[in-house]
Amino acid sequence: DGGITQSPKYLFRKEGQNVTLSCEQNLNHDAMYWYRQDPGQGLRLIYYSQIVNDFQKGDIAEGYSVSREKKESFPLTVTSAQKNPTAFYLCASSPTGDSPLHFGNGTRLTVT
Amino acid sequence: RKEVEQDPGPFNVPEGATVAFNCTYSNSASQSFFWYRQDCRKEPKLLMSVYSSGNEDGRFTAQLNRASQYISLLIRDSKLSDSATYLCVVPLYNNNDMRFGAGTRLTVKP
Repeated sequence: DGGITQSPKYLFRKEGQNVTLSCEQNLNHDAMYWYRQDPGQGLRLIYYSQIVNDFQKGDIAEGYSVSREKKESFPLTVTSAQKNPTAFYLCASSPTGDSPLHFGNGTRLTVT
Repeated sequence: RKEVEQDPGPFNVPEGATVAFNCTYSNSASQSFFWYRQDCRKEPKLLMSVYSSGNEDGRFTAQLNRASQYISLLIRDSKLSDSATYLCVVPLYNNNDMRFGAGTRLTVKP
C-alpha cells in the first residue's frame, strides 16, 4: 500500500537535545511538507520541499532544519534552539501544487 | 488580512441541521482549494477539493467565490459523526506553499 510513514508515533526528549523526526513516502510525490500543530490550533508550516535537494522555509522555520537527499524522505530535525518544541508534528506530500496533501499519522514530541 | 482565515466557531448544532463555514484567503491568484476534516489527535483527512466554482459530494457542498476571495463548506442533514474540526487549505505565492486556516470546530448533538 502506498502512503506516508512517520516515526516514531510518540517521542520524548530532554531539553537541549536535538531530535530527528522521520518521514518516508512511497507515493512518488515531488512535494513534501512539515507542519506543526499545537493543542486547539491549526497547522503551521515549518518547511516544504518541491524537489530533491531543495527546500523552503515556512512561517515557523526557526529552530528546525530539514534535508531532502532522496525523493521519498524528508526528515525534520528539531534543534535545541527551538524554544517550544513540544507539539504534534505532521508530514505531508503531494504530487503537484494543484493536488491535495496526503498526511502521515503524525509524531507527538514531548520535551521536558 | 491573514493569508487564510476561518470562522473561529465553535459551531454546536443539533442532528439534522444544516451548517456552513467560511474561509477567506489573501492570494487572489490561488487556483485550487481544499477542505479537510480532522478528528481529535489525528491527522487531517481530505474532505473535498475545489478547482472551479464549487464541488458537491453527498451532504457536503463547497463553493468558491473568487471575487470576494472565500470558499465555503455546507453540511446538510448533520450527523453525530460529522463532529470534528474542519480545515481549509489554500496554496499561497506558488502552488506548493500550502497554508491552513486555524480550523472550525463543529459539534453535532443528538
